[in-house]
Amino acid sequence: DTGVSQDPRHKITKRGQNVTFRCDPISEHNRLYWYRQTLGQGPEFLTYFQNEAQLEKSRLLSDRFSAERPKGSFSTLEIQRTEQGDSAMYLCASSSGMAPGNTIYFGEGSWLTVV
Amino acid sequence: AQSVTQPDIHITVSEGASLELRCNYSYGATPYLFWYVQSPGQGLQLLLKYFSGDTLVQGIKGFEAEFKRSQSSFNLRKPSVHWSDAAEYFCAVASGGFKTIFGAGTRLFVKA
Repeated sequence: DTGVSQDPRHKITKRGQNVTFRCDPISEHNRLYWYRQTLGQGPEFLTYFQNEAQLEKSRLLSDRFSAERPKGSFSTLEIQRTEQGDSAMYLCASSSGMAPGNTIYFGEGSWLTVV
Repeated sequence: AQSVTQPDIHITVSEGASLELRCNYSYGATPYLFWYVQSPGQGLQLLLKYFSGDTLVQGIKGFEAEFKRSQSSFNLRKPSVHWSDAAEYFCAVASGGFKTIFGAGTRLFVKA
């Protein structure tokens, strides 16, 4: 069990560029979540996958954001035409089991700075 | 809609003193409740969780929390704080679905 890993850990990009983050969940975890966290705030839910199916998306996930989990394993979060307001830490998490309250395990996050 | 309120943005306690971090939630049914800790620049680590049963739950690192339905609260406590406990603490609630909602967090400072 190597934990949830995220790549890259830090990304600085110019406004208008596209960025992609990758998340590798704990192996055999069937659920994967993306959260966004800004300074001084708690994580905000973005989206959630069960296996390869994206089951829920937050209103925070504008049409510039897209997340995929093509084979039910790793996931990518792409932000197109980045804006300064996208600067945040993007957290990935995973969980297993069927109960809704099963523990979710977080990665260390990917910091995005849009300049 | 479910929500979580952590009334204290930051708290400072002396090393060795007791600690209580407050958390109030809003949810119609019995919620699943969690406390997470986050060190600077890191992800979140689960301290403890409550689903049902005994309203006093024990967690890692000597933390405990008590669920009080009448007050819609789930306060985190520790009898004696260590300098290494300085971090940000998040209370969270999950409903019957799989979305976990977090509070804004309470930053704990520990003074020698």
